[in-house]
Amino acid sequence: AQKVTQAQTEISVVEKEDVTLDCVYETRDTTYYLFWYKQPPSGELVFLIRRNSFDEQNEISGRYSWNFQKSTSSFNFTITASQVVDSAVYFCALSDITGFQKLVFGTGTRLLVSP
Amino acid sequence: DAGVTQSPTHLIKTRGQQVTLRCSPKSGHDTVSWYQQALGQGPQFIFQYYEEEERQRGNFPDRFSGHQFPNYSSELNVNALLLGDSALYLCASSLGADRDNQPQHFGDGTRLSIL
Repeated sequence: AQKVTQAQTEISVVEKEDVTLDCVYETRDTTYYLFWYKQPPSGELVFLIRRNSFDEQNEISGRYSWNFQKSTSSFNFTITASQVVDSAVYFCALSDITGFQKLVFGTGTRLLVSP
Repeated sequence: DAGVTQSPTHLIKTRGQQVTLRCSPKSGHDTVSWYQQALGQGPQFIFQYYEEEERQRGNFPDRFSGHQFPNYSSELNVNALLLGDSALYLCASSLGADRDNQPQHFGDGTRLSIL
C-alpha cells in the first residue's frame, strides 16, 4: 500500500526565513510520481511540482526548491526567503504512473509566515 | 479557459438525507476524480470516472456513488448521510488517456456540513 507521511503539523517562521517541509513516502511500485500541492484558505489545491521516480535531480523554481532522495524515500520542499503569501497548508502526494492518477496525500503541513 | 468548477460552494444537510455535488472539469479534460478532505486531514480518494465509467475506487462505502455525463461533467451522490461525512469534497480533472500523466487540476471544493 502507498503511504505519505508529513511529520510536521505546523511550522511558524518570520518573513525572509528559509523553511523546509519534509515528506517521506512508502510504495511498492518501482516507478511512481511525487507531487507537492499548496492549499490556501480558499480551499483549492494548487499544483506546485511533479517528480518522476526516474529523475532524482533536484529542482529549483524561483524561491522554491525540491530535494528528492530515493534512497531515503523523501521528497522535501524548501521555500527560500519566505513571504506572508506563502502561508498555506502544503501537501505531499504520491501516485502510480498510469494515465489515471489516484493521488495518495499526506496529512499536510500548515505554514504560517508572519511579517 | 475555465478551470474546474464545483457547485454548490457550501451545503448543510441533516443525518439520513441524500446529497448531490456537481463538478465541471477543466476544458479539454476527460477524467474526473473525487476526494474527501476531513478537517485537518489530507484529501482521500473516493473514485474516478473516465468515459462515463467508474475506473478506480477508494475505500469508501457504497453510499458514495457517482456519475459522469457525455460532456465529462460529473456528480457525486452520498446517501444516508452521517455526521462523519462532513468534509470538503474536492473534484479534480485530468486527461486520462494522456500517458504523460499531466497533473490533476482541482476545484475549490464543496463544503458539506451534516447536522
